[in-house]
Amino acid sequence: DAGVIQSPRHEVTEMGQEVTLRCKPISGHNSLFWYRQTMMRGLELLIYFNNNVPIDDSGMPEDRFSAKMPNASFSTLKIQPSEPRDSAVYFCASSPVWGEKLFFGSGTQLSVL
Amino acid sequence: GNSVTQMEGPVTLSEEAFLTINCTYTATGYPSLFWYVQYPGEGLQLLLKATKADDKGSNKGFEATYRKETTSFHLEKGSVQVSDSAVYFCALSDASGGGADGLTFGKGTHLIIQP
Repeated sequence: DAGVIQSPRHEVTEMGQEVTLRCKPISGHNSLFWYRQTMMRGLELLIYFNNNVPIDDSGMPEDRFSAKMPNASFSTLKIQPSEPRDSAVYFCASSPVWGEKLFFGSGTQLSVL
Repeated sequence: GNSVTQMEGPVTLSEEAFLTINCTYTATGYPSLFWYVQYPGEGLQLLLKATKADDKGSNKGFEATYRKETTSFHLEKGSVQVSDSAVYFCALSDASGGGADGLTFGKGTHLIIQP
C-alpha cells in the first residue's frame, strides 16, 4: 500500500497566484481530511469529507480556500489568490471510518512570497 | 466542546532517561484517545491508542493509559533513545460530537533526546 500521496512536496509561489494542492487517499478509505500546520497555530483541521461529500468546512479560513473531492481517489485544496500568511505545511489524511486512526501524507510545504 | 491540552515543549532529555508527556482532555461524549508522532519532514503517524477507560495503549516502548477519572492520557517511556526525538501529538475522537469538533489534536510537544 502506497499510503496517502500528496503533491507537490514543495510549492513556492508569489502572492496573488493560484495554488492547487493534491491528495490521493488510501484506497478504500471513506474519510479524507485537510490540515494546515504552522508554528504559531499548530495543526488545524480545514475541512473533511466523508464518502466524497464535504461534511464540515468550518475550519477553512476564508473564501480564498476551496476543496473538492470529485471521486474517492482524489481531492484538491485550492487557494486563490494566495497570500504570504498562507505559508504553512498542508497535510492530507485519510481514514477507513470516521473516528478511527488517521493516515497522513508527507505534506506540502507551501511558501507564498 | 472538545479540547486536548498537552505540556508545552521543547522537552529535552538525555538518552535512557524516563519520559512523561502529559495530556488531558475534555469531551462531550466518550472519546477514543490517540498519540501520534511526527518525525522531521514527515506527516503524523499513529503511535498508540485506547478506546475505553483503563485501556493501555502501547507501541515501541511507549505506553499511555486511558484515565477517565482524571481525563488524562499521559505518554510514558522508560528509557528514551535519540531516535525518539520528534513531535508528539495527543488527540481524541468523539463520535457523539460529530463534525470537526469531534476530532481534536493537541498543539504537540517537541521532544529532544541528547546522546
